[in-house]
Amino acid sequence: GQNIDQPTEMTATEGAIVQINCTYQTSGFNGLFWYQQHAGEAPTFLSYNVLDGLEEKGRFSSFLSRSKGYSYLLLKELQMKDSASYLCAVLDSNYQLIWGAGTKLIIKP
Amino acid sequence: DVKVTQSSRYLVKRTGEKVFLECVQDMDHENMFWYRQDPGLGLRLIYFSYDVKMKEKGDIPEGYSVSREKKERFSLILESASTNQTSMYLCASSKPGQSHFNQPQHFGDGTRLSIL
Repeated sequence: GQNIDQPTEMTATEGAIVQINCTYQTSGFNGLFWYQQHAGEAPTFLSYNVLDGLEEKGRFSSFLSRSKGYSYLLLKELQMKDSASYLCAVLDSNYQLIWGAGTKLIIKP
Repeated sequence: DVKVTQSSRYLVKRTGEKVFLECVQDMDHENMFWYRQDPGLGLRLIYFSYDVKMKEKGDIPEGYSVSREKKERFSLILESASTNQTSMYLCASSKPGQSHFNQPQHFGDGTRLSIL
């Protein structure tokens, strides 16, 4: 079957760095998305990785290793507003989107 | 600013009722999607549409139907609501791409539906 694993919950301190991992076992791979979802709000697009390596967008970076079936989202200089759930989604060989259950990130002062 | 608007944030209905959830997008997107979001599970696709009057079943279409009469509007219909359809329902839209799913999706704030 197809599976995406993310930690259920993580806690980090304001100003610190946190890495949210996503591992996947899917029938093929055509890309990986990260979305942010604040409680009670719409998910919003963060990044899309197709090739291996690190892509940086301001305080947020996303990394992909296709050979390891692994991605992570790196958040630097954490702010209280980064408290949210982070959703990983993989596009499989049939271009179907498989969603992880999300990681709830709690930022403490 | 791009926007996907869902008609209700909260809705309470009774078992057996026919329920309509409405979604409107202002981005002229071809693709529109309906998902449900339940605790501990990833988003599950109910139906999607890639053009007016066109629809495709997602992973969990049973008990649901959809309507897309205009490009900007995509409606989800619960034919006869049941308690196991209590959930958060999310609507999304996207531009067309190499596939229906390889473009970033823009989501509405969701409708929290309770079936009593």
